Amino acid sequence: AQSVTQLGSHVSVSEGALVLLRCNYSSSVPPYLFWYVQYPNQGLQLLLKYTTGATLVKGINGFEAEFKKSETSFHLTKPSAHMSDAAEYFCAGVGTGANNLFFGTGTRLTVIP
Amino acid sequence: KAGVTQTPRYLIKTRGQQVTLSCSPISGHRSVSWYQQTPGQGLQFLFEYFSETQRNKGNFPGRFSGRQFSNSRSEMNVSTLELGDSALYLCASSSDRVTNTEAFFGQGTRLTVV
Repeated sequence: AQSVTQLGSHVSVSEGALVLLRCNYSSSVPPYLFWYVQYPNQGLQLLLKYTTGATLVKGINGFEAEFKKSETSFHLTKPSAHMSDAAEYFCAGVGTGANNLFFGTGTRLTVIP
Repeated sequence: KAGVTQTPRYLIKTRGQQVTLSCSPISGHRSVSWYQQTPGQGLQFLFEYFSETQRNKGNFPGRFSGRQFSNSRSEMNVSTLELGDSALYLCASSSDRVTNTEAFFGQGTRLTVV
């Protein structure tokens, strides 16, 4: 079955430290992968997406992710965490309908001052 | 340009009632998708409408239905509400498939069933 798995429901980092949020996808997932961010009482905002081409994808707010087929991973990173990065992050793939997203369970990021 | 607008933002209904939620997509977007977000099940796809036709459907019971109007505005309806229908309902609009473009999400409607 198609799925994405996010490792760690909660991640805490110090302000200025590296952010690493993990996502693994099942091999049946088409090669379209996304990271979304959700702030409290808000909808989802696209951070970045991988479709084809370069495996290192740069997104908004200094985030980037690397598609690694050999590890079936699409981890999200940011070199230096800001307080404003505190939110919930979702990894997602595209279902067979090609316009329906399926999401991981989310990782809540806390940034410690 | 204006973003995706969902109304109402908050709703409280009684078990057994029905409810209608509205979503106005970004101007020019013809695709509207609906998602349910709950603490237990996470984010789940309900259905997608494109040019007034349901193009894709998730694994939800028939109590959940939707429609899209000629101006691309969409409504979803839940009949015979159950306590488990309490959730944040999100809609997303896009001009094309998300593999080619970006889906923009509204702020959601938080439905509480009592």
